[in-house]
Amino acid sequence: GESVGLHLPTLSVQEGDNSIINCAYSNSASDYFIWYKQESGKGPQFIIDIRSNMDKRQGQRVTVLLNKTVKHLSLQIAATQPGDSAVYFCAEKGDTGNQFYFGTGTSLTVIP
Amino acid sequence: DGGITQSPKYLFRKEGQNVTLSCEQNLNHDAMYWYRQDPGQGLRLIYYSQIVNDFQKGDIAEGYSVSREKKESFPLTVTSAQKNPTAFYLCASCFWGNTEAFFGQGTRLTVV
Repeated sequence: GESVGLHLPTLSVQEGDNSIINCAYSNSASDYFIWYKQESGKGPQFIIDIRSNMDKRQGQRVTVLLNKTVKHLSLQIAATQPGDSAVYFCAEKGDTGNQFYFGTGTSLTVIP
Repeated sequence: DGGITQSPKYLFRKEGQNVTLSCEQNLNHDAMYWYRQDPGQGLRLIYYSQIVNDFQKGDIAEGYSVSREKKESFPLTVTSAQKNPTAFYLCASCFWGNTEAFFGQGTRLTVV
């Protein structure tokens, strides 16, 4: 099966700094990637997505970068705020159907 | 408002009993999914369904069963065969193709 992994399980940043969360994926045929934010006791919420024909996509305060050569995905959060504290998951949609594959997650803590 | 609803939010079960978790969506999504999340862990796929009356096992289907009699509904039964059922269960749904999955708010199941 496919695997999606994260390099760092925890990340602490000062309020106002930029955050970078990384993700590695193993299936070079995957063509759709998503970042989710999960607050404690809640379901994951969609943040941003990117298709494999792109290498960068920007949203409000967030940017996703895709490097297909090394199978790496990153989420950049600008001017991190206390409300950004959560667990962030990357997900990969495989090429063998409609399945999503999730990484372990990175717990982001914003220090006021 | 459109959305995906899981019920109940909290559920307690005695050992040896079966229990059914509800998941309903009014987003007209084709595919529905059940994930299990243990503390500090990522999401593991239990079952998924791409169309009505059809479903496939995920990575950890043993001890679980599902049905998809209606497009809107994808209930999950945790049977007594599931050895370690205490967990946070998440239901999700999406359209076919490269679109994000929408998650419910989860059901926390505790075996007492």
